[in-house]
Amino acid sequence: GAGVSQSPRYKVTKRGQDVALRCDPISGHVSLYWYRQALGQGPEFLTYFNYEAQQDKSGLPNDRFSAERPEGSISTLTIQRTEQRDSAMYRCASSRWTGVNQPQHFGDGTRLSIL
Amino acid sequence: EDKVVQSPLSLVVHEGDTVTLNCSYEVTNFRSLLWYKQEKKAPTFLFMLTSSGIEKKSGRLSSILDKKELSSILNITATQTGDSAIYLCAVEARGGQGAQKLVFGQGTRLTINP
Repeated sequence: GAGVSQSPRYKVTKRGQDVALRCDPISGHVSLYWYRQALGQGPEFLTYFNYEAQQDKSGLPNDRFSAERPEGSISTLTIQRTEQRDSAMYRCASSRWTGVNQPQHFGDGTRLSIL
Repeated sequence: EDKVVQSPLSLVVHEGDTVTLNCSYEVTNFRSLLWYKQEKKAPTFLFMLTSSGIEKKSGRLSSILDKKELSSILNITATQTGDSAIYLCAVEARGGQGAQKLVFGQGTRLTINP
């Protein structure tokens, strides 16, 4: 697609439910990143893929968070047993590859609210 | 711990003014510094800087990196109301298994009044 597409745009759910957030990167982009952005803050790194391989998950806050990209294109970030502190904007970004001079391009994000 | 600090956090100026936004960083395995403009939706890419002292320019916006001082500035001349946004500075750092992640500052909220 022309840009990074994320769905849903908004997600409101009750505490304890599982949620799945989807990211469709720019066509042909090898690298895909997930970030979380709290209000008034810059995005914070969660995890990153090259093709289908998860290269770095050091930013995932705990084991309730997981991500996959099984065919090297669309990615899903899953949060199990959601808690109120998980409420934030979740952003996906993609880049052509991880070489120098390859900027990351961001999607509009999914705003997650846990009641 | 990797850290990016932006200043000021908030800036209000009149249309036509020139503004300078600051970014300083402490990052291991530095690769590049990026500036993004964030309005209501996605951060949009402005500049990527890898070499010290080389100015990058796009219209009324320009930016330069100083690797000795571990800092960068973003200049906007002849500001317009459409420049109102949050400007994010990010540093690309090498993460685990050779991955690159962006470490962001808190952003500078710029407001241009007519």
